[in-house]
Amino acid sequence: AQKVTQAQTEISVVEKEDVTLDCVYETRDTTYYLFWYKQPPSGELVFLIRRNSFDEQNEISGRYSWNFQKSTSSFNFTITASQVVDSAVYFCALSEAVGTTDSWGKLQFGAGTQVVVTP
Amino acid sequence: NAGVTQTPKFQVLKTGQSMTLQCAQDMNHNSMYWYRQDPGMGLRLIYYSASEGTTDKGEVPNGYNVSRLNKREFSLRLESAAPSQTSVYFCASRAGGRSYEQYFGPGTRLTVT
Repeated sequence: AQKVTQAQTEISVVEKEDVTLDCVYETRDTTYYLFWYKQPPSGELVFLIRRNSFDEQNEISGRYSWNFQKSTSSFNFTITASQVVDSAVYFCALSEAVGTTDSWGKLQFGAGTQVVVTP
Repeated sequence: NAGVTQTPKFQVLKTGQSMTLQCAQDMNHNSMYWYRQDPGMGLRLIYYSASEGTTDKGEVPNGYNVSRLNKREFSLRLESAAPSQTSVYFCASRAGGRSYEQYFGPGTRLTVT
């Protein structure tokens, strides 16, 4: 069974500080996909990034960066120079590639980390 | 292009009442999903439809039924609502095949008293 753990319930920072969100996952599959979603106070879920299990290259996109390490089953997310607009709940999610491709995509979510950025 | 839409946005039910949550997507996606979000628990999959004409149970299907009406629409029905079903319900869609990202609707906040 797959499992996603986000041990940090809430992180509070002052604007311009960096924030790193931890995500640890468990899966028996060798092929899987990891995601980060953002849920701002308005409530919608916004897709941020997807990584494949066979691609450990880390990525930077603007103020966001991701650190994927299969050896430690971790997929951490960093916001550099945080802004008030980054205040949201961030979810890490896992999807296993089992069965036909049409049945892929069932997401297992972590409990989420609330990020509070104050001016 | 509205993406994924859900109706209603808010609903209050009494225990034992029934209702249907509607979801539609205009992205020609094959797969659709229903999740519920409870405080401190993230989102949990209730049912999904990998393609038109198929539906399967997710992690928490008890007390719910679904219908994939056509490629665009995927509804979630509560036959006899219980207070434990108080939650925020999200519908999502995915293109299918090797396209992995899911796109979510705005959610329905349901309260069962």
